[in-house]
Amino acid sequence: EVQLVESGGGLVQPGGSLRLSCAASGFTFSSYWMHWVRQAPGKGLVWVSRINSDGSSTSYADSVKGRFTISRDNAKNTLYLQMNSLRAEDTAVYYCARDQGISDAFDIWGQGTMVTVSS
Amino acid sequence: DIQMTQSPSTLSASVGDRVTITCRASQSISSWLAWYQQKPGKAPKLLIYKASSLESGVPSRFSGSGSGTEFTLTISSLQPDDFATYYCQFGVTFGPGTKVDIK
Repeated sequence: EVQLVESGGGLVQPGGSLRLSCAASGFTFSSYWMHWVRQAPGKGLVWVSRINSDGSSTSYADSVKGRFTISRDNAKNTLYLQMNSLRAEDTAVYYCARDQGISDAFDIWGQGTMVTVSS
Repeated sequence: DIQMTQSPSTLSASVGDRVTITCRASQSISSWLAWYQQKPGKAPKLLIYKASSLESGVPSRFSGSGSGTEFTLTISSLQPDDFATYYCQFGVTFGPGTKVDIK
């Protein structure tokens, strides 16, 4: 079964750090670009970051640039999001998603992991 | 940057209704548009890609059309499982969503 499973969310104080993981299974992880998308409580979907298949190219939303780092370990079939200098406005469910590779659509999503930034 | 808008923001409908949601791009995006369905507490699910291509496993009552700047998602006969929020997407930009609820 094709699957993405996120972990690493939790409660963190403003200014703190957290690393999210996304474990992939059921497909050739190293062949796909991957994304992180977040959703604040009661709000819409917001793209956060993406990484190409071999990890050599990344991009970020302006709101997280310089604070978040996306990476991947293709040997471990795992995607990461290192989040530093966290702010209250980073509070959201974070989803990892697979880029379909045909049309920029995201065809496989994880179940999400909640990140709460609060003192 | 290209902006995406959706209308309506909320839609009240009954089972069996034909439902149409519109997504507009601030400039032409050819056919590079996807549609997602999201239910409360769940991850989004891809329904349509490249404006009109039905994702595998998605019921045929869902269809997409349009190109350029105006796109539509149509549910031909609304089913109880279809009450959800629908998002359009171009590249890394999502529309604000359309909530379909029970009339």
